[in-house]
Amino acid sequence: AQTVTQSQPEMSVQEAETVTLSCTYDTSESDYYLFWYKQPPSRQMILVIRQEAYKQQNATENRFSVNFQKAAKSFSLKISDSQLGDAAMYFCAYKGRGAQKLVFGQGTRLTINP
Amino acid sequence: DSGVTQTPKHLITATGQRVTLRCSPRSGDLSVYWYQQSLDQGLQFLIQYYNGEERAKGNILERFSAQQFPDLHSELNLSSLELGDSALYFCASSVGVAGGSGEQFFGPGTRLTVL
Repeated sequence: AQTVTQSQPEMSVQEAETVTLSCTYDTSESDYYLFWYKQPPSRQMILVIRQEAYKQQNATENRFSVNFQKAAKSFSLKISDSQLGDAAMYFCAYKGRGAQKLVFGQGTRLTINP
Repeated sequence: DSGVTQTPKHLITATGQRVTLRCSPRSGDLSVYWYQQSLDQGLQFLIQYYNGEERAKGNILERFSAQQFPDLHSELNLSSLELGDSALYFCASSVGVAGGSGEQFFGPGTRLTVL
C-alpha cells in the first residue's frame, strides 16, 4: 500500500521569505500523480499544484513550485515571497494513475509571521 | 469555489442516531468520492461512485453507506453514530472513473459532531 509522510508537523516563516515543505512517499508503481493541497481555516481543500510522475520537469504555479525527486520518492513544496494568506495546513497527496483514491500525508501547519 | 456543493455545513446529533450527508458534483463530473478528516486518522478515503455504480471502497465502516443517484448527486448515510464518528466529511468529484488528469475537486465539507 502506498504511504505519504510529511515529517514537519509545523513550520513558520517570515512574510516575504521562502519556505519549503517536505513530503516523501512510498510506492512500487512507476506512473502516478502527486499533489499539494492547502486547507485554510475555512477548511476548504484547495489544490495548489500537481505533478505527473513521468514528467521530469518540476511543476510551477506562480509563487509555488515543487522539487520532485522520483528516485528518492521525495516531493517538496517551495513557497516564495510568502504572504499572510498562505497560512494554512498543507497536505501532500499521492494517486496511482489507474487508482481512484488520494492518499494523504498527515499535513504541515504553516504559519506566516508578519 | 470548486463547484462541488455539500449540505449541510454543520450537523450536531446524538450517539445512536442516523444522518445523511449530501453532495452535488461539479457539472460534467461523473465520479464522486467521500473522505473523512478526523484528528486521529487524518484524511481517509471512504468510497467512490462513478455514474451511479460503486467503484472503490476504502476504510468505510459497515455502519456507513453511500449511493449515487441518476442526477449524479451522492448521499453518505451514517448510522448508529458513535462519538468517534465526529469528523469533517468531504465530498470530491472528478471527470473520469480514475480521475483523468488525477485531479479531484473538493467540496466545503460537512462538519459532524456526535454528542
